[in-house]
Amino acid sequence: EIVLTQSPGTLSLSPGERATLSCRASQSVSSSYLAWYHQKPGQAPRLLIYGASSRATGIPDRFSGSGSGTDFTLTISRLEPEDFAVYYCQQFGYSPFTFGPGTTVDVK
Amino acid sequence: EVQLVETGGGLIQPGGSLRLSCAASGFIVSSKYMSWVRQAPGKGLEWVSVIYSGSSTYYADSVKGRFTISRDISKNTLYLQMNSLRAEDTAVYYCARLTATTGFDYWGQGTLVTVSS
Repeated sequence: EIVLTQSPGTLSLSPGERATLSCRASQSVSSSYLAWYHQKPGQAPRLLIYGASSRATGIPDRFSGSGSGTDFTLTISRLEPEDFAVYYCQQFGYSPFTFGPGTTVDVK
Repeated sequence: EVQLVETGGGLIQPGGSLRLSCAASGFIVSSKYMSWVRQAPGKGLEWVSVIYSGSSTYYADSVKGRFTISRDISKNTLYLQMNSLRAEDTAVYYCARLTATTGFDYWGQGTLVTVSS
């Protein structure tokens, strides 16, 4: 099983600041099968980034993804009020598909 | 427009069975990979099961042998049959469409399963 570790656990920032979230895999993951989601309270997760760096439909360009192998990063260039949420990375290249434990981005 | 609507959740005693349904619209369930993901109260996301368009199925170790994923082509609906339920199966269960190149691109709103006596 591929274990995904996310850091930090919580990121406290102000609107307008830059957020950098990390996802590390226990073994190499194909970039094609690495995705990022965010989830707001009481809502279903929403796909943000797929293929490690491609934005999903309707996702603003302040969201960007990068990385390869075992280290991946999600960057939010300037936080908007609606971006405060929990962010999960996921690999779906090998069963069992696994999610990271999540990074909470909250208001400082 | 793609929509996924889960139903079937509720309160069930340990050892009991429950079947969740996920009615899809805007696409054909049998032509896509479909999955179930769950989220225990206050916890993160846990992948549960996937069914591929060719009908191959895979499960998380935590549910293997107890849960069965299936689909009904005529109803364009995905199912999750859950047997021998345990307290640790308590969670919101989401169905999600998995596209091989983009990940879980559509999710339902979730249905809550509570396993308790």
